[in-house]
Amino acid sequence: QKEVEQNSGPLSVPEGAIASLNCTYSDRVSQSFFWYRQYSGKSPELIMSIYSNGDKEDGRFTAQLNKASQYVSLLIRDSQPSDSATYLCAVYHYQLIWGAGTKLIIKP
Amino acid sequence: EAGVTQSPTHLIKTRGQQATLRCSPISGHTSVYWYQQALGLGLQFLLWYDEGEERNRGNFPPRFSGRQFPNYSSELNVNALELEDSALYLCASSLGSSGSIHEQFFGPGTRLTVL
Repeated sequence: QKEVEQNSGPLSVPEGAIASLNCTYSDRVSQSFFWYRQYSGKSPELIMSIYSNGDKEDGRFTAQLNKASQYVSLLIRDSQPSDSATYLCAVYHYQLIWGAGTKLIIKP
Repeated sequence: EAGVTQSPTHLIKTRGQQATLRCSPISGHTSVYWYQQALGLGLQFLLWYDEGEERNRGNFPPRFSGRQFPNYSSELNVNALELEDSALYLCASSLGSSGSIHEQFFGPGTRLTVL
């Protein structure tokens, strides 16, 4: 059974700080990794894709991938109240395997 | 470019009835995925269609079924509705499974309420 694990949270972070979200996966052959943001009652929105070891930056978001340790993380710099949402990690192996999501709360 | 569309936005049914949900993928996408998301819970994979064929299904009873049409749109049918089928049903699309890009893009969802 291929699994993707995330801390369910909630993770509370003060406004302006760095939010760090983590995800571990069980399948060593996974090659593609994704972070989605889902606001309450809305559909998930793709915010980052990462395929190679290391960091990938896009604005205030940085995805980090370590295939040897089988984890992928998402850093959100200068956190804003509008970043409050559930963040879903997804890992590709024949199809996307989804984590249960981490609820992030940014406190003003 | 138009995104994934779903209809209807909301659907109210009574227990035992049938529900039909529809999805149109992004132009050029051949794979369609259906997910169920009960209130406060994670995404539960239902079905995956690619090039008109069912590629995989999740751990759901056979009363959940669907199909993909030649234009790659899809419908999800839920027969003999039960109260616990009340959920947000999400459709996502991606480029075909033979490619190297596996990002999925979601529609706005259909909120199904079973009374």
